[in-house]
Formats: sequence, C-alpha cells, structure tokens
Amino acid sequence: DVKVTQSSRYLVKRTGEKVFLECVQDMDHENMFWYRQDPGLGLRLIYFSYDVKMKEKGDIPEGYSVSREKKERFSLILESASTNQTSMYLCASSPGQGYSYEQYFGPGTRLTVT
Amino acid sequence: QKEVEQNSGPLSVPEGAIASLNCTYSDRVSQSFFWYRQYSGKSPELIMSIYSNGDKEDGRFTAQLNKASQYVSLLIRDSQPSDSATYLCAVTRGSYGNNRLAFGKGNQVVVIP
Repeated sequence: DVKVTQSSRYLVKRTGEKVFLECVQDMDHENMFWYRQDPGLGLRLIYFSYDVKMKEKGDIPEGYSVSREKKERFSLILESASTNQTSMYLCASSPGQGYSYEQYFGPGTRLTVT
Repeated sequence: QKEVEQNSGPLSVPEGAIASLNCTYSDRVSQSFFWYRQYSGKSPELIMSIYSNGDKEDGRFTAQLNKASQYVSLLIRDSQPSDSATYLCAVTRGSYGNNRLAFGKGNQVVVIP
C-alpha cells in the first residue's frame, strides 16, 4: 500500500511565524503535491514537484514555497503565516509520467493561524 | 467554464439503494479519471480509476466514462451507511501533461439506515 505521511495532524501558529509542513512518501513516486482544502473552494494546488529539486507553481502559490531535497520528502513552507492561510493542507504523491496519474493523499494537517 | 463540475446537491439515499453521482469536465485531452471518497475531517481516498470509455466495476462501485460527452459517473450499489461521505471527481489536466489533476468540489452522499 502507498503510504503518505504528514508531520502533524493539527498545528496552531501565530501570525508572522515561519511554518514548515513535512510530507514523506514510501513508494518511490516521482511526483509530489501540496494542496489546501477550504469549504466551498475545494482542493486547490499550491505547488507540484516532479523530481528532486524540481518544482512548479500550482494555482495558488502566493505566500508559500517548497523544498524537495530527497525524492521521498516534500516540504511546504509558509514564510510568514497569515490568518488567511488557516486551512487543511494535504500532501499527495503519484507515480509520474509514463506510469499512472492517480494521486494518493496523506492524512492532512489542519493549520490554524491566530 | 469550470474544469470539473459536480452540480448535484447533497444526495440522500435509503440503505440498500443505488447512489448515482455525475461529473462533467471541460478538457478534451484529459486521459485519466478518478473518484475519491472523503469522510468528514479526513483526507481523500482513491476508490476508482477509469481510463477508457465504458463501465468499470469494482465491488459495489461502478465508474462510467463517456469521453465524447465529457462526463464520468459513479454508481454505488447496495448503499451502506459507511458510504456516507463526500465523493470527489478528478480528471487529469491535459494542458499540464496529465501530471496534475483537476478536482470537482464534491457531492455529499448520506445513506439513511
């Protein structure tokens, strides 16, 4: 079974703090993704990585950055957290080009910024 | 036009009945289609993948794909209370080489015992 893990289930941070969300997958997948999910807005892609050190902006990258130093690990960074970044953050991975495109999600991190 | 539309409101079905969910998509070059189930407070879980026109059955779930009409549907037979969840339709975004998915906003299903 594919396993995607995220470092925290719940996180509370203060406005202006730097926040790190970590994601690890154990299936040697090429692609990894960060989404946020908000009521009424659905799942929105923040960033996508298709290889180590390679990344592409998603639909809503503003206020976020990412890091992928190892194939199995993909980090999302909020440089200066703001209240409008309060959300459920979901990491996903997929096998990649030439294989298949289904994505497998981690359990999610519910981030509250106060 | 939204990439993926799931227009139906919450769907209530009696236990044992068939739940039918529909989804339309706008990108004609989409190649792969998925249904995810999401329980309240949990993350999406992949339940069905379909890649070619026609029906695909897996247990009590049947996915149907019609690329000419650009819709994909999910049938849940013999609905159980444990099927109560939000179901998300997802399709590959051809303009991004199919590595990315576009998700619908989901349909909530409530199975009434």
